[in-house]
Amino acid sequence: DIVLTQSPALAVSLEQRATISCKTSQNVDNYGISYMHWYQQKPGQQPKLLIYEGSNLASGIPARFSGSGSGTDFTLTIDPVEADDIATYYCQQSKDYPLTFGSGTKLEIK
Amino acid sequence: QVQLKESGPGLVQPSETLSLTCTVSGFSLTSYSVSWVRQPSGKGPEWMGRMWYDGDTAYNSALKSRLSISRDTSKNQVFLKMNSLQTDDTGTYYCTRDHGWFAYWGQGTLVTVSS
Repeated sequence: DIVLTQSPALAVSLEQRATISCKTSQNVDNYGISYMHWYQQKPGQQPKLLIYEGSNLASGIPARFSGSGSGTDFTLTIDPVEADDIATYYCQQSKDYPLTFGSGTKLEIK
Repeated sequence: QVQLKESGPGLVQPSETLSLTCTVSGFSLTSYSVSWVRQPSGKGPEWMGRMWYDGDTAYNSALKSRLSISRDTSKNQVFLKMNSLQTDDTGTYYCTRDHGWFAYWGQGTLVTVSS
């Protein structure tokens, strides 16, 4: 299985930049596409898609969110951070079965 | 608009079988795939398996021996059955529209495995 590793928590100040990392145990790129996706989850809610295929912004998601990276190293950036962004962020790969998720990074405000 | 809704029992006895239904609207099951994803409280999501738009299925190897996913396209429903439930199967179970990524999710149904 492809293992996705995320830091458990990140503390940032409002209006600053947050960079959330996801490292994979195997390359999740193929034919120029990164099979890496990002979600936001608030308590009591279902996950919400933010970014698909590495860097594509999902419908209705503000441009403050962006995704980058390739191969085994990926980053979700939130710039600037707003109070409503307090949540847990998960990465997910769809390069190989089983589809797998990271354990999540909880974004906290300093 | 696209909607998915899970239904099923909230409480299952250990060693029993879980049966869940996902009812979809706003899209056709013959055009889009649907996956089941579960999430224990306080932990990351786990992909369980997929019903492809063409009727084929794919399962997480960790669950494959216990899991079955089927569908009824005339009723716009996808079904999950998982046997031999244990306490660590407790969590919220979601159905999602599956593009490789999961853009649409149901609200989830909490399943508790307890006697």
